[in-house]
Amino acid sequence: GNSVTQMEGPVTLSEEAFLTINCTYTATGYPSLFWYVQYPGEGLQLLLKATKADDKGSNKGFEATYRKETTSFHLEKGSVQVSDSAVYFCALRRRNYGGSQGNLIFGKGTKLSVKP
Amino acid sequence: EADIYQTPRYLVIGTGKKITLECSQTMGHDKMYWYQQDPGMELHLIHYSYGVNSTEKGDLSSESTVSRIRTEHFPLTLESARPSHTSQYLCASSGVPGQGRSYNSPLHFGNGTRLTVT
Repeated sequence: GNSVTQMEGPVTLSEEAFLTINCTYTATGYPSLFWYVQYPGEGLQLLLKATKADDKGSNKGFEATYRKETTSFHLEKGSVQVSDSAVYFCALRRRNYGGSQGNLIFGKGTKLSVKP
Repeated sequence: EADIYQTPRYLVIGTGKKITLECSQTMGHDKMYWYQQDPGMELHLIHYSYGVNSTEKGDLSSESTVSRIRTEHFPLTLESARPSHTSQYLCASSGVPGQGRSYNSPLHFGNGTRLTVT
């Protein structure tokens, strides 16, 4: 079956620290991969995406590279800010369309807290 | 800027009451979704729709029902609320207007309804 596994939180970092949130997936075929962010009291927002192997998604200083050989899509940022404190969700969508297969499958979320 | 709107933002209601959570989007998206988010943050898909008059149950069984009479509107109804229904409910939509089903279009989420059943 299809699934997404991401590192458990919470993750607490100091401002300007380097961030990595690991995400691995299991899927048949070639899924598209996404990172979503949920700020306190809000819904989810798309942070970045990659649709094929070796693609790198990037936005707001965050990056993630689609690694087919390791089935991974780790999220990284070189220098985090207090405003990055949020919950981060890794997600995949299979290419086969039909029924619920076309829907996003989310990981369980990783809560990040950045201290000044 | 949210183009998908959920009301109410917070709802506290007694057991046995009927409630409807509203969700509307102004982007002309064909696909809409309801997710239930538990206190541990995990998201569970409970309903989805690929267009008007299309509704399907999601991966997590839910006692709620949905309807899709208009493209922009996807309300969720609980006929008889129970404390076990206490949760955050997130509505989302996706799809490129006028281009039918678009595989890689991202989901746009509303800010959610936090439901508490006492």
